[in-house]
Amino acid sequence: AQSVTQPDIHITVSEGASLELRCNYSYGATPYLFWYVQSPGQGLQLLLKYFSGDTLVQGIKGFEAEFKRSQSSFNLRKPSVHWSDAAEYFCAVAGGGADGLTFGKGTHLIIQP
Amino acid sequence: DTGVSQDPRHKITKRGQNVTFRCDPISEHNRLYWYRQTLGQGPEFLTYFQNEAQLEKSRLLSDRFSAERPKGSFSTLEIQRTEQGDSAMYLCASSHPSGRRNEQYFGPGTRLTVT
Repeated sequence: AQSVTQPDIHITVSEGASLELRCNYSYGATPYLFWYVQSPGQGLQLLLKYFSGDTLVQGIKGFEAEFKRSQSSFNLRKPSVHWSDAAEYFCAVAGGGADGLTFGKGTHLIIQP
Repeated sequence: DTGVSQDPRHKITKRGQNVTFRCDPISEHNRLYWYRQTLGQGPEFLTYFQNEAQLEKSRLLSDRFSAERPKGSFSTLEIQRTEQGDSAMYLCASSHPSGRRNEQYFGPGTRLTVT
């Protein structure tokens, strides 16, 4: 069965600093990988996705993520965070035959002024 | 494109009552998904429709839960004899048939509180 681990429950970053959120997945074949962001009381917004090809993918709001097969990782990065980036971030994985996404438990991002 | 909509946004009910939630997917999206999210956790997959056919159900979907999509457009999720453990955010998502099937777009969710 596929699974996702987000090792950091909370991360605090100063505004303007760089950000990296970690995601490790378990899946037997080439996965489909996603990052979603959730603001309080809201649904999930798709930030970016990886299906195949270039392992560095660009998303919305200045985010990018890098797929590293050897490390089973799909870490999310942003060079300079803004106060509006404070939210919950979820990594998710799907296989080719599985239509439901498997999510990690999320990382709560706090932005310090 | 108005996005995925869900109704109601909030529902408070007493234990033992039945509740029904509605999801309207993005137009022309033939795939529709239901997830449940409890506090401090990521969403958990419940069930999936392609058009009107329910193709996959998680073991999380107990006999008290039923989902329908009768005309392949909107979907309903009913919980019978609610329990306090059913308190959660219920999320709906949809995806386009020509896109990668796993690229899902989520609605704002329905927050259920069972007292």
